[in-house]
Amino acid sequence: DGGITQSPKYLFRKEGQNVTLSCEQNLNHDAMYWYRQDPGQGLRLIYYSQIVNDFQKGDIAEGYSVSREKKESFPLTVTSAQKNPTAFYLCATSASTDTQYFGPGTRLTVL
Amino acid sequence: GDSVTQMEGPVTLSEEAFLTINCTYTATGYPSLFWYVQYPGEGLQLLLKATKADDKGSNKGFEATYRKETTSFHLEKGSVQVSDSAVYFCALRRESAAGNNRKLIWGLGTSLAVNP
Repeated sequence: DGGITQSPKYLFRKEGQNVTLSCEQNLNHDAMYWYRQDPGQGLRLIYYSQIVNDFQKGDIAEGYSVSREKKESFPLTVTSAQKNPTAFYLCATSASTDTQYFGPGTRLTVL
Repeated sequence: GDSVTQMEGPVTLSEEAFLTINCTYTATGYPSLFWYVQYPGEGLQLLLKATKADDKGSNKGFEATYRKETTSFHLEKGSVQVSDSAVYFCALRRESAAGNNRKLIWGLGTSLAVNP
């Protein structure tokens, strides 16, 4: 079954804790992206990676970190430095064409 | 810089009504243009796209035509259904984008509610 999986679907975090969101793909796509979605603000790019072992900051990278050790995986860590982490997080991938394909998302709530 | 502007929502229609969601863009050259749809609680899905001027993208009864002269890519559907209720996003990718320019520029999204 091909596609993009994100886990968990819902995640709760206490203030001051780091959490890691998983994104895995079996589409053999080179590029992967992390977006944050807040109500009324559309999608904002956090980090993206064009190739294994390389990644770049997006528009709102502060308080987040990523790694790209394998082509299939692009985990996002939300650190305690992120002051307002409650949001819906979306992972996407793309091949050499323009189209981005999205996972089902993870909803993070800070308690 | 490059940008995408969508009409503000929410848009509320009755079933079988005609739908138009406006999208205009600012970019140099000939960007690729996209419409994505997001159903409640889910990720985004590509709805349609167009890569050059006068191209028409179409899918599931939705259409959008790439108008270079008006820098627009309006989404239309002749007869909406309750199942079309979702948020619709317009996006662009710069012409001949490579490397760091491969990321998409997104509109803020337009919420559509279709009542039976």
